[in-house]
Amino acid sequence: SQKIEQNSEALNIQEGKTATLTCNYTNYSPAYLQWYRQDPGRGPVFLLLIRENEKEKRKERLKVTFDTTLKQSLFHITASQPADSATYLCALLMNTGFQKLVFGTGTRLLVSP
Amino acid sequence: DTGVSQNPRHKITKRGQNVTFRCDPISEHNRLYWYRQTLGQGPEFLTYFQNEAQLEKSRLLSDRFSAERPKGSFSTLEIQRTEQGDSAMYLCASSLARGGNGITGELFFGEGSRLTVL
Repeated sequence: SQKIEQNSEALNIQEGKTATLTCNYTNYSPAYLQWYRQDPGRGPVFLLLIRENEKEKRKERLKVTFDTTLKQSLFHITASQPADSATYLCALLMNTGFQKLVFGTGTRLLVSP
Repeated sequence: DTGVSQNPRHKITKRGQNVTFRCDPISEHNRLYWYRQTLGQGPEFLTYFQNEAQLEKSRLLSDRFSAERPKGSFSTLEIQRTEQGDSAMYLCASSLARGGNGITGELFFGEGSRLTVL
C-alpha cells in the first residue's frame, strides 16, 4: 500500500542549530513534493516545492532535497529560531491524471531559546 | 483579505444533525479541495473541483457527505446525520492550474472549520 512517513515524534533542537526533518514514501511515483508549515489551529502554509528531476531547492534558511531512488525528501532549517516551532508536513503530488496532494502525518519541531 | 475563507470556524452539533461548511477560494483559482484533519494526523484528501466539476472523491467520503461548487466559485461541504467520528478540522484549499491536467502549484489553505459532534 502507499505510505508517506514522517517522524511522529517531536524534534527538539536548540536555537541556532540546523533542524532536519525526513519524509519517506513507498509505492508512489510523485511528480513533485511540497513542504508545508502548520501552526496549531491554523491551516497549512506552503513553503517549498521540489520537482522529481530536481535534487535540491533552497529558499532563505530552508533547503529541501529529493532523492527519488531512496524515495526520501529531507527538509532543513538552518539557524533555527523559536519562531520556527510548528508542525511541518510533506505532501506528494501523484504523477497521474488526477491532481491531488497526499500529505504525511507531519513532524512537530520545537526550537528552544 | 484575498485569502481562502471558511465558515463557520467552529461548529458544535449533536449526533444525527446535519452541518454545512462554506469555502470561498481565492477568486482566480480554478481548483478547490476539501481535506479533513484529525489531531496528530496530516490532512486527508476528501474531494476536489476543477471549476464547477467535481473530479475526484475519496473513498473516505461516505454517502453522508456531499460537496458542491455551483458556478465554480464558492463551495459547500454538507455532512448529513453526523456521527462522533466526523469530529475533525475540515480544511478547504484552492489553487490555480493551467492547461488541462497541467501540474498545479501550491495549495492555499483556509483556516479550517472545526467540527465537534457530541
